[in-house]
Amino acid sequence: QKEVEQDPGPLSVPEGAIVSLNCTYSNSAFQYFMWYRQYSRKGPELLMYTYSSGNKEDGRFTAQVDKSSKYISLFIRDSQPSDSATYLCAFRYNQGGKLIFGQGTELSVKP
Amino acid sequence: EPEVTQTPSHQVTQMGQEVILRCVPISNHLYFYWYRQILGQKVEFLVSFYNNEISEKSEIFDDQFSVERPDGSNFTLKIRSTKLEDSAMYFCASSRLAGDTDTQYFGPGTRLTVL
Repeated sequence: QKEVEQDPGPLSVPEGAIVSLNCTYSNSAFQYFMWYRQYSRKGPELLMYTYSSGNKEDGRFTAQVDKSSKYISLFIRDSQPSDSATYLCAFRYNQGGKLIFGQGTELSVKP
Repeated sequence: EPEVTQTPSHQVTQMGQEVILRCVPISNHLYFYWYRQILGQKVEFLVSFYNNEISEKSEIFDDQFSVERPDGSNFTLKIRSTKLEDSAMYFCASSRLAGDTDTQYFGPGTRLTVL
C-alpha cells in the first residue's frame, strides 16, 4: 500500500463551484497535515496546516483531517480561475522536518 | 515579504559533469532542505540541514550528492557526476524551526536538464 495516495486528476470545474480534493495515507505516525498549491513551474506554496483531526477554515479554504480513517480533504468554496493550479497534500511526522508529498491534483477552474 | 531564492532557474549539463545549485534561504531561518520533482512525479525529499550538518537524508541522496552552507546566506546542492535520471526540478526550502507549528517555505526551483 502506498504511503500517500492522491488522485492526480485533472479536475475541471466551472467558476464558483465547490472543489473537493482528497488524500489518503497509510502511516499512522503522521501528525501534521498540509496542503500546498503549486503553479506551473513554481515552487509549492503553503495553503493550510493542521495537526489534529477536525476542520480548519481560512477564507474560501477548509482543511479537514480524519485520523481514524487516515483521510484528509481540502475544500475550496466559490472557486476562481486563479485557483487553477496543482494541489499537493503533504505530511510530517511529529519529529523531524521532512515533508512527504502526494502526487498532486491538477485543478482547472473555467470562467 | 521575504522569500527563498534559487539560481540558476535552468541548468543544462552533460552527463558526468558536476553541477552546483544555489539557494538563498530566508534570512532568519535555521533549517534548510532540498527536494526534487521529476517531471510528472511527486515532490521528493532529498536532505535536511541544520547547524552546519545534515540532519536527515533520503535514499536518493547518495554519495554523488553533497550540501554545503559556505557562508551565512547561501545553501548549495552539488551533484558530482550527473546522470540522465538526475534531470528534475530541484527545490530548496527553509524553515525557522523544525518545531511543531513551523512551516517550510519553498523557492521557485532550478530545472536541471542532463543531456
